[in-house]
Amino acid sequence: GAGVSQSPRYKVAKRGQDVALRCDPISGHVSLFWYQQALGQGPEFLTYFQNEAQLDKSGLPSDRFFAERPEGSVSTLKIQRTQQEDSAVYLCASSPRAQGLYTYSNQPQHFGDGTRLSIL
Amino acid sequence: SQKIEQNSEALNIQEGKTATLTCNYTNYSPAYLQWYRQDPGRGPVFLLLIRENEKEKRKERLKVTFDTTLKQSLFHITASQPADSATYLCALTTSGTYKYIFGTGTRLKVLA
Repeated sequence: GAGVSQSPRYKVAKRGQDVALRCDPISGHVSLFWYQQALGQGPEFLTYFQNEAQLDKSGLPSDRFFAERPEGSVSTLKIQRTQQEDSAVYLCASSPRAQGLYTYSNQPQHFGDGTRLSIL
Repeated sequence: SQKIEQNSEALNIQEGKTATLTCNYTNYSPAYLQWYRQDPGRGPVFLLLIRENEKEKRKERLKVTFDTTLKQSLFHITASQPADSATYLCALTTSGTYKYIFGTGTRLKVLA
């Protein structure tokens, strides 16, 4: 079946421009995560959605970052007034079930191949 | 502070040998720890998950151990092959948060 799809695969923008990154999770997956991955580093958590509800946005670096998942399927990560330090790979991952807050999760995450964002 | 550490240096081994990668964590009490493989330009791919009450988990040529006393997980690839060359990431979740915490990854290169 289809995996997690992200678009575009590459995005080049000038500093100050707004960008929008799209994630199509696996159909029926309840949980959706966004991560930022710098070169040579592991993914860093940005935000978590359970269906359409954004339950954790503690990893978003600033108020220039905004994510939504209005119908509980496709999600968009928007970055306003981009800066050079926003250059990174942005990864989306989905999981079949809801993530527990006070119960540990044992779900594998299914990742897309990411969007490589370069800010000039 | 809370952090996960993996071998920052790349690991080069000869084909056929066993590769052992380490994941050390501090100030966490995870009940589950996961291992992922990431190839250049691709997203991470889930490999194995181990629970805190499991000392060892196996899947084909892969083996993961979890020592909650040492706060360490070891990831082994036996009879390694050049196709195993990739970056391997460990990840955990903690109570009171939805987030997964990833290590920095260890780059493995298996030499033919």
